[in-house]
Amino acid sequence: QSALTQPASVSGSPGQSITISCTGTTSDVGGYNYVSWYQQHPGKAPKLMIYDVSNRPSGVSNRFSGSKSGNTASLTISGLQAEDEAAYYCSSYSFSSTPVVFGGGTKLTVL
Amino acid sequence: EVQLVESGGGLVQPGGSLRLSCVASGFTLSSYSMNWVRQAPGKGLEWVSYISSAGSSIYYADSVKGRFTISRDKFRNSLYLQMDSLRDEDTAVYYCARAVTMVGNDYWGQGALVTVSS
Repeated sequence: QSALTQPASVSGSPGQSITISCTGTTSDVGGYNYVSWYQQHPGKAPKLMIYDVSNRPSGVSNRFSGSKSGNTASLTISGLQAEDEAAYYCSSYSFSSTPVVFGGGTKLTVL
Repeated sequence: EVQLVESGGGLVQPGGSLRLSCVASGFTLSSYSMNWVRQAPGKGLEWVSYISSAGSSIYYADSVKGRFTISRDKFRNSLYLQMDSLRDEDTAVYYCARAVTMVGNDYWGQGALVTVSS
C-alpha cells in the first residue's frame, strides 16, 4: 500500500482538462512544499513534470500545472493531447523513517 | 548532453548480492544529490535511497535499510548501489536519477533489471 493516495485511473477527451489528486497527511504532502509529479510511458523511465508543488522544469509544456491544498496535491493537464496518455505518479518528502514517498500511480486515458 | 547509464543488473538467488553502477556523463555527479528508485514488474515507483551532493546525508527506505548501501566515486563520475541479502521482493527495475530536490529527479537512467529468484 502506497503512502500517498492517487486515483487508479482518470480519462478525458482531447482538448479537455483533467486533474489528478494525490492525498497524504500532515507528515508529508500537507507539511512540506516538496511535491513532485512524474509522467511515465510504458517501458520508459519516468519524466519530471512538476517539482516543489508547482514548478515546471524547462521543456515541460505549460499545459501541466501543480497545486496543493491541505494534505492534497493536484496535477492539472489542460488541452489534453493523445501523447499525454501515460501513468502519472506523485512524490513527496515525508517526515518519517522513509523520507521520500510515492503515490500508487494514476493511469490517464485520452479517449 | 546529460546521460545516466545503469549496469550490473541480472539474476541472483535469494540471499545473494549484486552491485549496480550508474555512470554519469554531461555533468559532474558529485555536484548533485542522487536517488535510486525502483519499480517492480507491473507496479508503481518506490524510492530506495538518496545521497546528498556533499555525501554528508544518506537515507534509505525502511524496506532496504541495513541491506543496501549507496555510494559514489567522483573520479569515475559514478553512483553505486550495493545490494546484499536480496529477497524475492527486491525484484525490480532500478533507476538512478539526478535530484534537483530530494523528491524531484530531472534526469533518469534507462534502468537495470534485478531479478531475485531461486
